Amino acid sequence: EIVLTQSPGTLSLSPGERATLSCRATQSLSNYYLAWYQQKPGQAPRLLISGASGRATGIPDRFSDSGSGTDFTLTISRLEPEDFAVYYCQQYASSPYSFGQGTKLEIK
Amino acid sequence: EVQLVESGGGLVQPGGSLRLSCAASGFNFSNYAMYWVRQPPGKGLEYVSAISYNGGSSYYANSVKGRFTISRDNSKNTLYLQMGSLRTEDMAVYYCARVDSGSFRGPQDFWGQGTLVTVSS
Repeated sequence: EIVLTQSPGTLSLSPGERATLSCRATQSLSNYYLAWYQQKPGQAPRLLISGASGRATGIPDRFSDSGSGTDFTLTISRLEPEDFAVYYCQQYASSPYSFGQGTKLEIK
Repeated sequence: EVQLVESGGGLVQPGGSLRLSCAASGFNFSNYAMYWVRQPPGKGLEYVSAISYNGGSSYYANSVKGRFTISRDNSKNTLYLQMGSLRTEDMAVYYCARVDSGSFRGPQDFWGQGTLVTVSS
């Protein structure tokens, strides 16, 4: 079973700054099988970006992903007010298709 | 427009059963694998189960294996989750989500708004 650990748990930044969110897996996996989701309070998660399909429809290019093996990163180049939310990584390389515990991105 | 609408949530006693439904529209349902994902109050996302486009294959989280059954009726464009032997730790908002392919191994590109399952005596 692949366990994903996200860090930090909470990230406090200001609009305009760069955000770097980490996701570490207990087993090596291709970045093809890793995705990132954004969730705002009271809303369903929204797919942001995946190794399989790139950025989802409507997702701005300030969101990018990188990484391989066991270490993956979501980068938001310049934070906009609407980017403050909780972010989850997910692997779908092997069942159970686990999620990380989330990183809360909050306004500093 | 792709839409996923969950229903069937509610209050159930520990040990009880419940069946969730997810009505799909706006896309060819029979071409896509589907997931159930849950979120306990104030906590993170947890994968529950996945089913292939034709219902021929399914997978479960260890925490629900043997108690939950995922199924689908492609003629009705509907996904189901039969939940049994419910525990307090099963209390969560349950989301259905579409995989962006017919295979399990893909990101979930559309999500429903969720249905709340409360397990309490």
